[in-house]
Amino acid sequence: DTEVTQTPKHLVMGMTNKKSLKCEQHMGHRAMYWYKQKAKKPPELMFVYSYEKLSINESVPSRFSPECPNSSLLNLHLHALQPEDSALYLCASSQEKWGTDEQFFGPGTRLTVL
Amino acid sequence: GEDVEQSLFLSVREGDSSVINCTYTDSSSTYLYWYKQEPGAGLQLLTYIFSNMDMKQDQRLTVLLNKKDKHLSLRIADTQTGDSAIYFCAESMATTDSWGKLQFGAGTQVVVTP
Repeated sequence: DTEVTQTPKHLVMGMTNKKSLKCEQHMGHRAMYWYKQKAKKPPELMFVYSYEKLSINESVPSRFSPECPNSSLLNLHLHALQPEDSALYLCASSQEKWGTDEQFFGPGTRLTVL
Repeated sequence: GEDVEQSLFLSVREGDSSVINCTYTDSSSTYLYWYKQEPGAGLQLLTYIFSNMDMKQDQRLTVLLNKKDKHLSLRIADTQTGDSAIYFCAESMATTDSWGKLQFGAGTQVVVTP
């Protein structure tokens, strides 16, 4: 299995809702990432988990809450989002080894906040 | 501003070669990557090159690196309509506090015409 899966594919939520995005990989990778991508822009790093511990938080607002229950699974909990948070949310994983550490991306969740 | 720069658009005829260019500024970069993103999809890793290499070839893809000028290019031979996508170059740094971070360029939209 050489892919990263993400669910749901699309999500529409109101500003008062609570929802979660899910990411899964079965490649034995020990690093997992959340990115936010606006249309026609490059991905922006949000969080990095290394060996199930949060290693990088790129000053992301607290309405985004990541969780890594185990080495294969990564969640992003969403609460009280704003319309400007509408974007494609991408998950990625990598082996976490020094040197080339290719990141493999999932297909993304298209989030719309009304 | 961005540390990685790319031209925003490239139009190429089917069967011709495409050349996508990228410049970066961080001399401590170790690996440089090319990703492809089709509409509505995640990022697909195409290839990467280590910073002490000049060239890497992989089937229709050729990566050239001029470390002195900090210039990276991706050549796609015999371009097909399925190559229409946005291409991102990205650099990674091998420093402890920036591990896991990819610096992406803005992306080059490649349009292949019949």
